[in-house]
Amino acid sequence: NAGVTQTPKFRVLKTGQSMTLLCAQDMNHEYMYWYRQDPGMGLRLIHYSVGEGTTAKGEVPDGYNVSRLKKQNFLLGLESAAPSQTSVYFCASQQGYEQYFGPGTRLTVT
Amino acid sequence: AQKITQTQPGMFVQEKEAVTLDCTYDTSDQSYGLFWYKQPSSGEMIFLIYQGSYDEQNATEGRYSLNFQKARKSANLVISASQLGDSAMYFCAMSETLSGGYQKVTFGTGTKLQVIP
Repeated sequence: NAGVTQTPKFRVLKTGQSMTLLCAQDMNHEYMYWYRQDPGMGLRLIHYSVGEGTTAKGEVPDGYNVSRLKKQNFLLGLESAAPSQTSVYFCASQQGYEQYFGPGTRLTVT
Repeated sequence: AQKITQTQPGMFVQEKEAVTLDCTYDTSDQSYGLFWYKQPSSGEMIFLIYQGSYDEQNATEGRYSLNFQKARKSANLVISASQLGDSAMYFCAMSETLSGGYQKVTFGTGTKLQVIP
């Protein structure tokens, strides 16, 4: 089992560019989450999904979109990147009470 | 609304000694979960320990124990016999299960622990 994987690990974007972060899990979990982590702060929830084809907004959804076309994949999109979106992005899937985290994607927007 | 407070931005502990990382929480729910995660410098989030609000006994996982004091709304992490590999950022978190099974998790701001040889 690979667990939760994230692609890419690092990315640098220019303001206004778009990109998609991919999260994949091979544990057949229904629930998946996207978080961002900024210095001096804990993780904040961007969007989540309770199953294939369903998504919902979390705490800080502005500027992001998500899709869950397949159960194992949860995509996070930035349509027009802004410097405020410079952060480390974590994906997680859930089984029972435990969330399993991916290794993170470090995104810098210049 | 749920809130997690970690008042210790950074702590030092001597190798082989025990250390307590503080966490207080605020919620009006009766059913909730409390977690601790470890984040080493490599960046990944590692699950350490879980305590359910109805669990009467404190959770333990190897050298980690969660000192759960419900009336005080505290969920401190105790690490016994500290090792150099314990140097990391530690996050306290609380979960609330909403309709449909979605788990809303609120994280604290973290405590950076440094173990001194």
